[in-house]
Amino acid sequence: NAGVTQTPKFQVLKTGQSMTLQCAQDMNHNSMYWYRQDPGMGLRLIYYSASEGTTDKGEVPNGYNVSRLNKREFSLRLESAAPSQTSVYFCASSEAIGTGAVGTQYFGPGTRLLVL
Amino acid sequence: GEDVEQSLFLSVREGDSSVINCTYTDSSSTYLYWYKQEPGAGLQLLTYIFSNMDMKQDQRLTVLLNKKDKHLSLRIADTQTGDSAIYFCAAGNAGNMLTFGGGTRLMVKP
Repeated sequence: NAGVTQTPKFQVLKTGQSMTLQCAQDMNHNSMYWYRQDPGMGLRLIYYSASEGTTDKGEVPNGYNVSRLNKREFSLRLESAAPSQTSVYFCASSEAIGTGAVGTQYFGPGTRLLVL
Repeated sequence: GEDVEQSLFLSVREGDSSVINCTYTDSSSTYLYWYKQEPGAGLQLLTYIFSNMDMKQDQRLTVLLNKKDKHLSLRIADTQTGDSAIYFCAAGNAGNMLTFGGGTRLMVKP
C-alpha cells in the first residue's frame, strides 16, 4: 500500500507557464482534496472532490483547475503560473467527507513549487 | 465559518512534557484532530477525539478537550528529539471540510 502519492516532488516554473500536479491514492477512498501550505498560514483548501465525478471549490480556488480522472486520481492544474502560487501543495484523501474515522484525511508527501 | 488558532512555536527540553494548545470557534465541531508534520513530509494523523469525550490517551499522547471554552490540547509525555515537528489541530463536523490551524512548531532541545 503506497497510500497517497504525488508527482512531481519539486518543480520550478516561470511566470505564465502551465503544469499539472498529479495525485493518486490506493485506499479506495471516495473523497480527495488539494491544499496549499504557506509559512504561518497552515493548510488552505484549494479544491476537493467528494466522490468520483464531482469537484467543488475550497477556500482559495482562483488560478487553479482540477480533474477527478477516476476514483484513484485527482489532478491539480495551474494554467498560467504566478509567483503567488509558490507554495507546497498537498493532496489528501478520505473514505468520505465527514468526521471521525470516515473523515480522517491521509496526506501525500507534497509537491514543492517555485514560480519565478 | 470555523476558525482554528494555535501558537506558532514551542521549545522544550528532552524528557520534559510538551503541551500544544488549540482553540476553535464553531461549537458544532464534532471531531477534533491532531496531525504531525515532519520536515519535508506530509501530515500524519496522530489522534482524534470526539466532542462527547473530555480526554483521550494513547501511549505518550494525551488529548484534552474543553468544549465550554472550545479549547483542545495535546500533551506529549517524555518528549524526545524525534518529536520535533509541526503539529496541526483540525476541527470538523459531519459532512463538512476540516479546518486546520496554522500549526505549532515544536523544538526539542537535547
